[in-house]
Amino acid sequence: GAVVSQHPSRVICKSGTSVKIECRSLDFQATTMFWYRQFPKQSLMLMATSNEGSKATYEQGVEKDKFLINHASLTLSTLTVTSAHPEDSSFYICSAFSQETQYFGPGTRLLVL
Amino acid sequence: TQLLEQSPQFLSIQEGENLTVYCNSSSVFSSLQWYRQEPGEGPVLLVTVVTGGEVKKLKRLTFQFGDARKDSSLHITAAQTGDTGLYLCAGDDDYKLSFGAGTTVTVRA
Repeated sequence: GAVVSQHPSRVICKSGTSVKIECRSLDFQATTMFWYRQFPKQSLMLMATSNEGSKATYEQGVEKDKFLINHASLTLSTLTVTSAHPEDSSFYICSAFSQETQYFGPGTRLLVL
Repeated sequence: TQLLEQSPQFLSIQEGENLTVYCNSSSVFSSLQWYRQEPGEGPVLLVTVVTGGEVKKLKRLTFQFGDARKDSSLHITAAQTGDTGLYLCAGDDDYKLSFGAGTTVTVRA
């Protein structure tokens, strides 16, 4: 149980385009999901907290207009990287919160050319 | 800002040897968690420690939480090549996690 999936697993896009990443809790409901970013050889950095039915809470330094988060249902949160640039290339990981535990997805590798 | 420092940054050992990695916090979290992450994958929870002085064992892995609840260690006995990975500690602050930089462990056959 407690499986979290992400789609796509990898994406390559051109600079200036937008990319949407999905995070789904497959066998449980999660009112709260978290989005992290991990650059090569670095640790996970929390970007934002996504709450079902309300606005996401962003960490300091994360642009809310650039990283759009939608938590439309209890099993799905999406992160849209708008007007992506090469510096947005990273490994994006989501987690879904249930019973005091965060369950992590497998991550999405984004490469912006 | 609560910071978690992990040491060493890199660790390479021979199969069968023991290893210890450390996690030290500048302040107290409600709990501390250890994860292992393999390249291209999300982190997988190994253990959560809550009580100062707590010791938890998971097969060949032993986790300790300091009395002051600000430091923790992960000890692996008789390491195997399958133990290779990035080991991360994370402090839980009202269910938001702050991760340390991680220790990259390589176990050579």
